[in-house]
Amino acid sequence: ETGVTQTPRHLVMGMTNKKSLKCEQHLGHNAMYWYKQSAKKPLELMFVYNFKEQTENNSVPSRFSPECPNSSHLFLHLHTLQPEDSALYLCASSRRTGYGYTFGSGTRLTVV
Amino acid sequence: ELKVEQNPLFLSMQEGKNYTIYCNYSTTSDRLYWYRQDPGKSLESLFVLLSNGAVKQEGRLMASLDTKARLSTLHITAAVHDLSATYFCAVDTIIQGAQKLVFGQGTRLTINP
Repeated sequence: ETGVTQTPRHLVMGMTNKKSLKCEQHLGHNAMYWYKQSAKKPLELMFVYNFKEQTENNSVPSRFSPECPNSSHLFLHLHTLQPEDSALYLCASSRRTGYGYTFGSGTRLTVV
Repeated sequence: ELKVEQNPLFLSMQEGKNYTIYCNYSTTSDRLYWYRQDPGKSLESLFVLLSNGAVKQEGRLMASLDTKARLSTLHITAAVHDLSATYFCAVDTIIQGAQKLVFGQGTRLTINP
């Protein structure tokens, strides 16, 4: 375990479903991130939260909705996804933005 | 736009051999990271390189950074099967006022007995 815990590890959902991914860290970090890892693309930064405030939305479609209720928890709410959204979604945290990232194990999402 | 390019993308080598993975990036960087990822697993931090000429070694892996050439290398010495994994470099920099970690495509390394 890295100290960043993601649940669930695997998720299969239909295009009309609504689901949420959860990320939790108790490392005392103040910044949290969502990354998408597709089979044929480099890791893509999706969202950045710093002290619970969203500081970056990297042109992510609105069917992905992040939520950061506190510095330890980060959610990614999913609705009406497309098959091309199937990927490994990685959460990361750092003490502050741009320094010492710790990654979770990821959620493998399959959209059918 | 910051681009981070790794070379090669796939590498198959025999145990005992030496090889180097290259990471080129297109703009100035605050920090450069090397990560390892095993199939189905998370990213494991290997090295953080902070300044020009930095060299770090851990076991059979050695990473270096040339900020003038915008190039980092990951050198593998006397490879062993356990080093089979995908290796990513990532550049930490400021883009449009925001700190971002931009990854290369990854190098899938397979070490054969």
